[in-house]
Amino acid sequence: SAVISQKPSRDICQRGTSLTIQCQVDSQVTMMFWYRQQPGQSLTLIATANQGSEATYESGFVIDKFPISRPNLTFSTLTVSNMSPEDSSIYLCSVVISTGPEQYFGPGTRLTVT
Amino acid sequence: DQQVKQNSPSLSVQEGRISILNCDYTNSMFDYFLWYKKYPAEGPTFLISISSIKDKNEDGRFTVFLNKSAKHLSLHIVPSQPGDSAVYFCAARSSNDYKLSFGAGTTVTVRA
Repeated sequence: SAVISQKPSRDICQRGTSLTIQCQVDSQVTMMFWYRQQPGQSLTLIATANQGSEATYESGFVIDKFPISRPNLTFSTLTVSNMSPEDSSIYLCSVVISTGPEQYFGPGTRLTVT
Repeated sequence: DQQVKQNSPSLSVQEGRISILNCDYTNSMFDYFLWYKKYPAEGPTFLISISSIKDKNEDGRFTVFLNKSAKHLSLHIVPSQPGDSAVYFCAARSSNDYKLSFGAGTTVTVRA
């Protein structure tokens, strides 16, 4: 497996502001993803973070709202822009470290927008 | 459209007994299936997976069964322990795509 850390672990933000979440992995990984878990809901994939190029977004998610960077094989950021209370969620990064099916998750960032 | 479904939102089981969690999927392209366990304020932890070429995979107290024709899988936990109390998510992917589709989760409570 891999050791995955996320910063911040939680935050309370005012509507209209932006928050950048960091994901750091202790080893080089094949793929990195960003997921969201809204209150009482399951996990939904936001995007695939591609190293050195633009992220690939899922339906319903756009780059202007959730810009993502991945400058190298071990680090990625997700920004939640112009936040509204509907963005209150747990944001999770995940990684694939081999060609196996397992995907490993970070501890999550709990975001509350007031 | 929910491609992975966990129709039981909760399950209560006595310590030492078997926990059976069920999961159904609709996308016939899915050929890898995974179970995750999640405690509050933590990220999901990978438990066990199964490829569509198998119908059973066992790892300690955890066994996953796959019925491809029914598009159904289940996770058995034997014996159940208090530390197993958590939310369990079923997830699926196809072999040419690492993106996971998750079910809604089942909250397991193990009673002493």
